[in-house]
Amino acid sequence: GAVVSQHPSRVICKSGTSVKIECRSLDFQATTMFWYRQFPKKSLMLMATSNEGSKATYEQGVEKDKFLINHASLTLSTLTVTSAHPEDSSFYICSARGGFDGGDTQYFGPGTRLTVL
Amino acid sequence: SQQGEEDPQALSIQEGENATMNCSYKTSINNLQWYRQNSGRGLVHLILIRSNEREKHSGRLRVTLDTSKKSSSLLITASRAADTASYFCATDGRGYSTLTFGKGTMLLVSP
Repeated sequence: GAVVSQHPSRVICKSGTSVKIECRSLDFQATTMFWYRQFPKKSLMLMATSNEGSKATYEQGVEKDKFLINHASLTLSTLTVTSAHPEDSSFYICSARGGFDGGDTQYFGPGTRLTVL
Repeated sequence: SQQGEEDPQALSIQEGENATMNCSYKTSINNLQWYRQNSGRGLVHLILIRSNEREKHSGRLRVTLDTSKKSSSLLITASRAADTASYFCATDGRGYSTLTFGKGTMLLVSP
């Protein structure tokens, strides 16, 4: 149980375009979803926390107008990278909380590799 | 700086040997979690240990937590080549259900 999926797994786009990444909890309702960014051989950096039906809480230094997060339902959150630039190229991972183990565990999606040309 | 700091940064062992990774953190926590990540993949949750627990087992994994020293260890016994991955500890010291990840330990298990 506690499976989280992400789509797409890999995307290559031109500079200036917008890219949407979906994160779904498949077998549980996620009260909270999180979006992380990871650079090669580095740790995960939390970008934002989103609760279903409310605005996302962004970490310091993360541009909310550039990284739009929508958590429209208890099983779906989306991250849209607007007007993407090469420096936005990264591995984006979502996680969802609210499954088992008292709800403290975060279950992670497989990640989305974004390459902006 | 990172809340969780793993050590060593990289560990190379032979199959069958045990692997021990350590994690230190700075603030008080409710729980500490260990995750595994294969190259280019998402994170797999391994084990959660609460602040009132001292030791927890799951299969070949053994996790200890010493809140007085603000440290945790992950022991993988009888390692296998398939255990090759990066291992991260994560703490909820910031509250609000958010996790702060350490830099990770890269484990290489050679056949």
